[in-house]
Amino acid sequence: DGGITQSPKYLFRKEGQNVTLSCEQNLNHDAMYWYRQDPGQGLRLIYYSQIVNDFQKGDIAEGYSVSREKKESFPLTVTSAQKNPTAFYLCASSRGGWASGGSYNEQFFGPGTRLTVL
Amino acid sequence: DQQVKQNSPSLSVQEGRISILNCDYTNSMFDYFLWYKKYPAEGPTFLISISSIKDKNEDGRFTVFLNKSAKHLSLHIVPSQPGDSAVYFCARCKVIFGPGTSLSVIP
Repeated sequence: DGGITQSPKYLFRKEGQNVTLSCEQNLNHDAMYWYRQDPGQGLRLIYYSQIVNDFQKGDIAEGYSVSREKKESFPLTVTSAQKNPTAFYLCASSRGGWASGGSYNEQFFGPGTRLTVL
Repeated sequence: DQQVKQNSPSLSVQEGRISILNCDYTNSMFDYFLWYKKYPAEGPTFLISISSIKDKNEDGRFTVFLNKSAKHLSLHIVPSQPGDSAVYFCARCKVIFGPGTSLSVIP
């Protein structure tokens, strides 16, 4: 059963600590994305990767880092430099990159990770 | 600056009636627009998309209309069902999302 998974669903961290959010997909998608959602707001792009070993900053990349060593995996590290890390984090994947359309259009999203900084 | 706007934060509709969700965008270029549906504490799920070379795309109860001159698109859901109650996001080229409209379908 193909899909995209994120773990853990809920995560708590102390202020000043780095934390890594997991994202795995078995859809054989080339592109993967990380978004952040805050209450009452839409999804804001943190990072995206269109192929392995390549990734690009999104609109709010400061305080975050990613890696794409495998096609299936795109982990996000929330560093201590991120000023307001408490949020709902969503990972997504798609067959084509952000500019492609048609059957490559759709993003598949994971269930999300809610990060709370104490 | 490419923006996507959804000016109505919420919408209430009676079951069986039509729901119309609106989205406006800035700047003109060759684009794809997508609509996603999201339940609380879950990831969004794709509903329907439209290319800027089209005016309309239909899939079952969902129809998206694109007015390029007005830089406006709308999602029509008919008939609306209680299970349609969710937040709907308009997105552009996958990565630019509007703030969402919360739809409540009243039985």
